[in-house]
Amino acid sequence: EADIYQTPRYLVIGTGKKITLECSQTMGHDKMYWYQQDPGMELHLIHYSYGVNSTEKGDLSSESTVSRIRTEHFPLTLESARPSHTSQYLCASRQGNQPQHFGDGTRLSIL
Amino acid sequence: QKEVEQNSGPLSVPEGAIASLNCTYSDRGSQSFFWYRQYSGKSPELIMFIYSNGDKEDGRFTAQLNKASQYVSLLIRDSQPSDSATYLCAVKNDYKLSFGAGTTVTVRA
Repeated sequence: EADIYQTPRYLVIGTGKKITLECSQTMGHDKMYWYQQDPGMELHLIHYSYGVNSTEKGDLSSESTVSRIRTEHFPLTLESARPSHTSQYLCASRQGNQPQHFGDGTRLSIL
Repeated sequence: QKEVEQNSGPLSVPEGAIASLNCTYSDRGSQSFFWYRQYSGKSPELIMFIYSNGDKEDGRFTAQLNKASQYVSLLIRDSQPSDSATYLCAVKNDYKLSFGAGTTVTVRA
């Protein structure tokens, strides 16, 4: 079982603010992922990483950016938050062909 | 065509019955298949994975894989109210998983 930590769990913030959502895993997994999911809707992959210094955009266009400077850390940043960014953001990781595990998510609400 | 297709449901079953969920995928080269359970407002939780054709059983859950027909199914035996959730089928393609939209299951007491 992977230990994946996301902070904050909930964030309510005003339009125009810069936001960083944190994701860390303690298992040394090489692959990490960010998904966006609206209530009752399907998961959308927005970013992923194969390893340190590797990042790729996912299937859903997103105004966010990510970085992978350390294996265990994969933060997601919104430079200027807008109400359309209100959603749940889920981080996940896995190693090789092993199953992927998710963190508890961050519920983001932009006023 | 979506990479992974699931019936959205809702699938309503009485307590104690078998719930049967189906999933089809488009990439014939896919090798790994996963079922996740997601309660409302929570993150997906892995419940089963299967790599080879045939059946794999874990407690009340059975995953079935047929690569020739490109489908994966999940059976939940002796369904309980706590099984009420959305079940996501996922297929591994290259470095990432492709998820279906999910099937919502409601177990009525």
